[in-house]
Amino acid sequence: GDSVTQMEGPVTLSEEAFLTINCTYTATGYPSLFWYVQYPGEGLQLLLKATKADDKGSNKGFEATYRKETTSFHLEKGSVQVSDSAVYFCALRDNTNAGKSTFGDGTTLTVKP
Amino acid sequence: DAGVTQSPTHLIKTRGQQVTLRCSPISGHKSVSWYQQVLGQGPQFIFQYYEKEERGRGNFPDRFSARQFPNYSSELNVNALLLGDSALYLCASSLVSGRLDNEQFFGPGTRLTVL
Repeated sequence: GDSVTQMEGPVTLSEEAFLTINCTYTATGYPSLFWYVQYPGEGLQLLLKATKADDKGSNKGFEATYRKETTSFHLEKGSVQVSDSAVYFCALRDNTNAGKSTFGDGTTLTVKP
Repeated sequence: DAGVTQSPTHLIKTRGQQVTLRCSPISGHKSVSWYQQVLGQGPQFIFQYYEKEERGRGNFPDRFSARQFPNYSSELNVNALLLGDSALYLCASSLVSGRLDNEQFFGPGTRLTVL
């Protein structure tokens, strides 16, 4: 079955540092890949997505590239801010059941001033 | 426009009781999916409903059931509650089923605590 593996956290960075959160996946079919962000006490917000190999999703300075050969979708940001502190989830949906998202366990990011 | 809404926000039950959680999708959305998020883990898929029919089911026991109404709102029912059912229950809606280009929009969740 489908699965998503994220790097274990928590991750603590200083403001303006470079961020990488690793994500690899296993899927049947042809998945679309997603990064969601969850702020304390809130639901999930879509951060970015990529629907086919070599696509790059980007939003609010965050980027991730769909790498089929390494089955990866690593999240990066060149300069993090305190306001980026949150939990980040990597997820996939595949064409065998587009209504089902499979999530990783999340990575907690804390950015210190 | 209102996003996905869920009620109640918080709920405390005791073992063996039954609970009903409610979800209203974004206006015009016909697909609703339910997820369980245990503290420290990612959401786990429970059900998807589209046009009032079950279209997918995750690996959850029969104590979990759901339904979708003609207005596309949905209820998740959990019987014979166990301590391990304590979690954040998330509802997500999308326009239609079966299309990966349809974004899933998540509600704020219902926090269920089982004592």
